[in-house]
Amino acid sequence: AQSVTQPDIHITVSEGASLELRCNYSYGATPYLFWYVQSPGQGLQLLLKYFSGDTLVQGIKGFEAEFKRSQSSFNLRKPSVHWSDAAEYFCAVGARSNDYKLSFGAGTTVTVRA
Amino acid sequence: EAGVAQSPRYKIIEKRQSVAFWCNPISGHATLYWYQQILGQGPKLLIQFQNNGVVDDSQLPKDRFSAERLKGVDSTLKIQPAKLEDSAVYLCASSLDSGDSYNEQFFGPGTRLTVL
Repeated sequence: AQSVTQPDIHITVSEGASLELRCNYSYGATPYLFWYVQSPGQGLQLLLKYFSGDTLVQGIKGFEAEFKRSQSSFNLRKPSVHWSDAAEYFCAVGARSNDYKLSFGAGTTVTVRA
Repeated sequence: EAGVAQSPRYKIIEKRQSVAFWCNPISGHATLYWYQQILGQGPKLLIQFQNNGVVDDSQLPKDRFSAERLKGVDSTLKIQPAKLEDSAVYLCASSLDSGDSYNEQFFGPGTRLTVL
């Protein structure tokens, strides 16, 4: 079975500082990995995804993520955080063999302080 | 392009009452998903439709939850009777299709259910 762990429940970061959110996955085959963002009162929005190829993927809103097979990780990063990045972030894993059904982590809430 | 619409946005009921949620997917999207998101957890898939047929309902508590997608467009999720542990945000998502190739899921704003 596929599963996702997001070790950090809550992260506080200063505006303009860098941000890194951790994600570890468990899956026997090659996983398809996703990061979603959920702003208050909004649905989930896809930030980026990794299927294969270059292990550093670029997404929307200035986010990037790096796939590290040896560490079973897919961490999300942003060099300089804006106040509008305050939201909840979810890592998810899917698989072609499972029709790309998504299994989500518990999420990390990001607070941005001025 | 209009997104996934859901209503109501908020609902408060007492335990043992019934409740229904409505979802209108993006036009032309064949696949529709219902997720349950309990506070402090990630979304969990309850049921997946392909047009008006059920593809996967293995996580749906069928003794109290039901869902339908008549005519392969709008969908309704019902809980009867509700329990305290059903308090959650119910998310609807849709995608062009499912199966051999990946199609991005687009999520609605959700319905926040509180069971007292």
